[in-house]
Amino acid sequence: ILNVEQSPQSLHVQEGDSTNFTCSFPSSNFYALHWYRWETAKSPEALFVMTLNGDEKKKGRISATLNTKEGYSYLYIKGSQPEDSATYLCAFTGDSSYKLIFGSGTRLLVRP
Amino acid sequence: GAGVSQSPRYKVAKRGQDVALRCDPISGHVSLFWYQQALGQGPEFLTYFQNEAQLDKSGLPSDRFFAERPEGSVSTLKIQRTQQEDSAVYLCASSPVGSGEKLFFGSGTQLSVL
Repeated sequence: ILNVEQSPQSLHVQEGDSTNFTCSFPSSNFYALHWYRWETAKSPEALFVMTLNGDEKKKGRISATLNTKEGYSYLYIKGSQPEDSATYLCAFTGDSSYKLIFGSGTRLLVRP
Repeated sequence: GAGVSQSPRYKVAKRGQDVALRCDPISGHVSLFWYQQALGQGPEFLTYFQNEAQLDKSGLPSDRFFAERPEGSVSTLKIQRTQQEDSAVYLCASSPVGSGEKLFFGSGTQLSVL
């Protein structure tokens, strides 16, 4: 059974704080690691798709790193804003490169 | 619109009723996926289409679940004789190619079975 674990489960921070979350996934048969942001009442939106060990990607104040050898990825948000409040999902693909296996998500609430 | 569209947004069904959930993917997208998200959990894979071909249905929980995409665009997920454990958010996603690319999701259909 392939498991993707995310921590923490939820996080409350103050506006302006920087924060980070962790995604752990199987380190064997790795194909890609996805990060999605899901705001309430909206569609999940892709942030990053990462494939290479050591990959670092950035989109505005959000960045992500990837370690495929040890099976983890970090998502960082610099200077959190209330509009960053959402659930952040990571998903792993292995041998079946089309089948995403999701973690349960990290729910972020940024207080003004 | 340009995004993935799902309908209905909410569906309440009595136990034993049949339901049909619709997904309109982004025009031209080859791949279409259905995921099920139970409360407090991450989305779980149900099935995968490449054009009209259903290449993987290994995630469908039982033979009460059936999905089709007859013309390679719109897809319907049908659940027969709904049970309370079918209550979940059903997400549809599409992508331009077969694998390895980011998915474009719809807003989901929230199904409640009473």
